[in-house]
Amino acid sequence: GAVVSQHPSRVICKSGTSVKIECRSLDFQATTMFWYRQFPKKSLMLMATSNEGSKATYEQGVEKDKFLINHASLTLSTLTVTSAHPEDSSFYICSARNSGNTEAFFGQGTRLTVV
Amino acid sequence: AQTVTQSQPEMSVQEAETVTLSCTYDTSESDYYLFWYKQPPSRQMILVIRQEAYKQQNATENRFSVNFQKAAKSFSLKISDSQLGDAAMYFCAYRSSGGGSQGNLIFGKGTKLSVKP
Repeated sequence: GAVVSQHPSRVICKSGTSVKIECRSLDFQATTMFWYRQFPKKSLMLMATSNEGSKATYEQGVEKDKFLINHASLTLSTLTVTSAHPEDSSFYICSARNSGNTEAFFGQGTRLTVV
Repeated sequence: AQTVTQSQPEMSVQEAETVTLSCTYDTSESDYYLFWYKQPPSRQMILVIRQEAYKQQNATENRFSVNFQKAAKSFSLKISDSQLGDAAMYFCAYRSSGGGSQGNLIFGKGTKLSVKP
């Protein structure tokens, strides 16, 4: 099956700093990538959808200036959490799909802790 | 807007027994996809099974099968011969048949399945 690699798996950063999370599709071209946030014991909440070469579409309530998403190539999307605060601590998961695929494939997730 | 409801926050099953997880959804679309995902403690999302709405036949993957009732908008997951490794969070998800941003998954709140030895 298709493989999506997300890096890093865990990151701890200080308040006020920025953190970049990478999501790569290793064996297929990801025309669309999705970024989710998951709080403990909760479901996945869609943050934004990005199509290669286009600006990301953010869900209501998600600050686009805080969560910068770049999808510059068909195999890489990045999520940058800018000026991180402790309330940004969460589990972030990406998924990717090709236009011809029925399903999306998930990365391993990134646990972000802001101290 | 589409919604997905999982009414069982937690379920428990004895090893080797059968368990059914419930899922209902709401949509005005006629063509869509439904999925069950498993999320073990590692938190990696694993696709368990998927169903295309236009197919009347229920999907089956080894010990996993679904009962898809389109008119009732119900999509339950049956796990037969439960194994200890089946213990995880299970999420039911809906996806429109369109591409691009319509292709995002809408998740239910999840059901935590415990398997007793």
